[in-house]
Amino acid sequence: EPEVTQTPSHQVTQMGQEVILRCVPISNHLYFYWYRQILGQKVEFLVSFYNNEISEKSEIFDDQFSVERPDGSNFTLKIRSTKLEDSAMYFCASREGVGGQNTEAFFGQGTRLTVV
Amino acid sequence: DAKTTQPNSMESNEEEPVHLPCNHSTISGTDYIHWYRQLPSQGPEYVIHGLTSNVNNRMASLAIAEDRKSSTLILHRATLRDAAVYYCILYTGTASKLTFGTGTRLQVTL
Repeated sequence: EPEVTQTPSHQVTQMGQEVILRCVPISNHLYFYWYRQILGQKVEFLVSFYNNEISEKSEIFDDQFSVERPDGSNFTLKIRSTKLEDSAMYFCASREGVGGQNTEAFFGQGTRLTVV
Repeated sequence: DAKTTQPNSMESNEEEPVHLPCNHSTISGTDYIHWYRQLPSQGPEYVIHGLTSNVNNRMASLAIAEDRKSSTLILHRATLRDAAVYYCILYTGTASKLTFGTGTRLQVTL
């Protein structure tokens, strides 16, 4: 069964450092997403990406965050200068283009980011 | 985003059916009803979705009220591996995000 893969599974970084979280979505999918989940809290939407541009972003997704699809397979989330409150699980998801709301999203297993 | 209401938690015995309710009284005509679950320490996982008719797949069944203001996810025989947080989400728009609430935490006991 096709799956979304995320690397690394766990990343520890010092406050103020840049981190890049990587995702390989399912190959024929056209919509890509990043979500995050702070420990013990809800899964929160960060950004959606379609046709090589951001289609929607949340208030959380400020200037410190950026996304990129550098080639045909990877989808990355960059945090420019990490803060302690960026510590969370980050989930990548992808969805087919055809079918709209009648299709499911596939999530990766997440990257646990710890900012120290 | 149209809102859903779910109980915070439910318990079930293993091998018994589980009915997880969801209220969505402000649902619009084009909203699909999606269910996802999140097993401990894992990413959300798709379970089932529907628009108006009841749906079955290998994981579960989805019963949708005639007025579409509520739905019920049915696990026919709960196992310990079904212990998870179950989210009922209204999905609107082609590129729309999923908006997760707090969901229902299902505990399954022997």
